[in-house]
Amino acid sequence: EIVMTQSPVTLSVSPGEGATLSCSASQSIGTNLAWYQQKPGQAPRLLIYGATNRATGIAARFSASGSGTEFRLTISGLQSEDFALYYCQQYNNWPPASYTFGQGTKVEIK
Amino acid sequence: QVQLQESGPGLVKPSETLSLTCAVSGGPVSSYYWSWVRQPPGGGLEWIGFVYYTGASNYSPSLKSRVTMSVDTSKNQHSLTLTSVTAADTAVYYCARLTWGSFDIWGQGTGVIVSS
Repeated sequence: EIVMTQSPVTLSVSPGEGATLSCSASQSIGTNLAWYQQKPGQAPRLLIYGATNRATGIAARFSASGSGTEFRLTISGLQSEDFALYYCQQYNNWPPASYTFGQGTKVEIK
Repeated sequence: QVQLQESGPGLVKPSETLSLTCAVSGGPVSSYYWSWVRQPPGGGLEWIGFVYYTGASNYSPSLKSRVTMSVDTSKNQHSLTLTSVTAADTAVYYCARLTWGSFDIWGQGTGVIVSS
């Protein structure tokens, strides 16, 4: 099973500042990576697919990079609605597949 | 605009079978792969499996022996069955649309507690 490791666990950021979240895969997954945002009591929302592509309706302040085993999600100019949990998810070997998520990074207000 | 709505019992007894349904509106269930993801209280996300309308499916290795997923095209819905549940299966269960490996549309989730 491919293990996804996110860092940091918690990121304290002031509104208006930028934030960079990291995600590492235990083996190469090419660009088969997605990022999700989850707010309390809500379902996750797809932000990024294919490692770098913003999903429909996602603001341009969200950008992502990476390939192979190292990936990053960058949020520029954090707004109040961006303070949330963020998960990465790999989807290598599709199909068939076994998808795994990272443990999440909480972006909190500093 | 495709929307998903989960339904099922909120409480299941240990050793019994959990059955959940995901109603698909705004589009045909036959056009995509469909998946279930769960989240235990205070925990992270765990993929359970996916199913296609043809019946083709793939399940998480850790749950494979207890999971069955199916699609009912006449009702435009898909379902999850999880047998021999324990307290470790207590979670919010989400259905989601699977598109090229990522989950692009999610239901609101349904909470399931396993307790006697």
